[in-house]
Amino acid sequence: GQQLNQSPQSMFIQEGEDVSMNCTSSSIFNTWLWYKQDPGEGPVLLIALYKAGELTSNGRLTAQFGITRKDSFLNISASIPSDVGIYFCAGQNYGGSQGNLIFGKGTKLSVKP
Amino acid sequence: NAGVTQTPKFRILKIGQSMTLQCAQDMNHNYMYWYRQDPGMGLKLIYYSVGAGITDKGEVPNGYNVSRSTTEDFPLRLELAAPSQTSVYFCASGPRLGTFEQFFGPGTRLTVL
Repeated sequence: GQQLNQSPQSMFIQEGEDVSMNCTSSSIFNTWLWYKQDPGEGPVLLIALYKAGELTSNGRLTAQFGITRKDSFLNISASIPSDVGIYFCAGQNYGGSQGNLIFGKGTKLSVKP
Repeated sequence: NAGVTQTPKFRILKIGQSMTLQCAQDMNHNYMYWYRQDPGMGLKLIYYSVGAGITDKGEVPNGYNVSRSTTEDFPLRLELAAPSQTSVYFCASGPRLGTFEQFFGPGTRLTVL
């Protein structure tokens, strides 16, 4: 099945640093979602994007829907220890079944205090 | 609201045994989903439902069955457990047409020995 290419696979950063991660697809997407998963928990929705070029913030998190509709970016500013976890992008492409999302493999974020 | 709840949290099965993973949501969402998550991988869709009485296969349906008799409940059935079904299973639900956001339960960790 189709998968999104999410990078980087993992990141080790110092507390206070900014973080950037991205997701790319070979096909056009009409929705991009970003989730965070803590160990032993289900993914939690962080940001949803519905229009090409859209830039949306949620506290220290900012995500963008790429103009080409084939990519999305997530930035975290001034990281803190509780940002640790796995971040997943998810998207739906044109022609996909209503509500069916395709997930990336995740970016594992580690923050050193 | 409790959101999406899943039981059990952990389970060990022997090869060939059967079991049902329970999922319930109290948000009156029409859409419900079952995913599996293998180590280091994103989520793969097993089955989904767009409303009571309506279910359809996702990307990896083999070895599983579902039913949706009510809006709230969406159980996943494993008939003949195999080691390949060792995984973490997540149930999710989503609102009506026009949005693709999905809200996840805490997961069921299943081991088949």
